[in-house]
Amino acid sequence: TQLLEQSPQFLSIQEGENLTVYCNSSSVFSSLQWYRQEPGEGPVLLVTVVTGGEVKKLKRLTFQFGDARKDSSLHITAAQPGDTGLYLCAGAQYNNDMRFGAGTRLTVKP
Amino acid sequence: DSGVTQTPKHLITATGQRVTLRCSPRSGDLSVYWYQQSLDQGLQFLIQYYNGEERAKGNILERFSAQQFPDLHSELNLSSLELGDSALYFCASSVDNNEQFFGPGTRLTVL
Repeated sequence: TQLLEQSPQFLSIQEGENLTVYCNSSSVFSSLQWYRQEPGEGPVLLVTVVTGGEVKKLKRLTFQFGDARKDSSLHITAAQPGDTGLYLCAGAQYNNDMRFGAGTRLTVKP
Repeated sequence: DSGVTQTPKHLITATGQRVTLRCSPRSGDLSVYWYQQSLDQGLQFLIQYYNGEERAKGNILERFSAQQFPDLHSELNLSSLELGDSALYFCASSVDNNEQFFGPGTRLTVL
């Protein structure tokens, strides 16, 4: 059982569509990160959220941390083929333990 | 470029063999993490070192071991290799536990 559950597991959409992916847990995290990984490469950090209810925007990407710091969402507006990749969330617990979700594999078709 | 380097980039070996993967963290980062990623799988946390000492342990097999040296580089040793050990192995480093910066990975193929 994953400590962090990501949904959906796979998502295939057309260019220009909006989408939201989710990262859920029953555990509380001191912080949560989102990463994007392309095939054969290491994950690249997109954002860190720390405060419950926090919203961060990165161009067309909007990240939200749940009020209770147990969950997070990533919303992409007007998706582009360059957004294709594996989106991973990772939560840091207060005991210095950090765990990754299994990821959402996004494909944006031109 | 994350500033984290890993060598070698590719490694092909046979079952039963032993290999060593190397990681150099970003300048100033004291923490090093090791992850395993099998084909189409998520990242499996193996182990974390902080300033030379083991800090956290994940799903690391007894056949695997790691260490962090005084210059903060780290090595992951994989022994008695099995076919199922074929995977991408990533190293990441961080200043604190909040943000990790990943290296390009080592692709291990066990034949």
